[in-house]
Amino acid sequence: DGGITQSPKYLFRKEGQNVTLSCEQNLNHDAMYWYRQDPGQGLRLIYYSQIVNDFQKGDIAEGYSVSREKKESFPLTVTSAQKNPTAFYLCASSIWLDNEQFFGPGTRLTVL
Amino acid sequence: DAKTTQPPSMDCAEGRAANLPCNHSTISGNEYVYWYRQIHSQGPQYIIHGLKNNETNEMASLIITEDRKSSTLILPHATLRDTAVYYCIVPGSNDYKLSFGAGTTVTVRA
Repeated sequence: DGGITQSPKYLFRKEGQNVTLSCEQNLNHDAMYWYRQDPGQGLRLIYYSQIVNDFQKGDIAEGYSVSREKKESFPLTVTSAQKNPTAFYLCASSIWLDNEQFFGPGTRLTVL
Repeated sequence: DAKTTQPPSMDCAEGRAANLPCNHSTISGNEYVYWYRQIHSQGPQYIIHGLKNNETNEMASLIITEDRKSSTLILPHATLRDTAVYYCIVPGSNDYKLSFGAGTTVTVRA
């Protein structure tokens, strides 16, 4: 089955700790994206990558970092600099500039 | 991106058609209208998109007005599993990103 996976589904961390969220896709898509969603809100773009070894900041990149060493993988690190990291994090992929994006199931991060 | 306006919520009876409106009065001539939905605690799912003509697929139909300033997503026979937040999005013609607003929360009732 082709698709996009995120792990873990739920993640708990103590304040001040960095945490890395996994995102993997086997759709052979060049582009990958990370979004954040707060309760009752829409999605906001954190980072995106259109090709391996390249990525760009989205609308709310502060306190986050990413890497894109492989086409299939786009991990997101939530650093201690992110002031309010508790949220639902969604990863997506697409053919570059195709607005049909495929989303993973999400990771719900809670910082205690 | 062209701004879109959707009602915050609507109810629908199971088995009936659900008609979801969206206003996008500032849309440009080459910008598409996209619809996604998000079932609670899941990732969004693409539904359909269109430019000028009406579109239909296995999930829904999209009706775009002739002046393209508004559109309607039609779920022909709503089921309880269609309960979700529905997003109407108009990305820029050279834009990579989707702007998800608050959407319309659709509740299908038995």
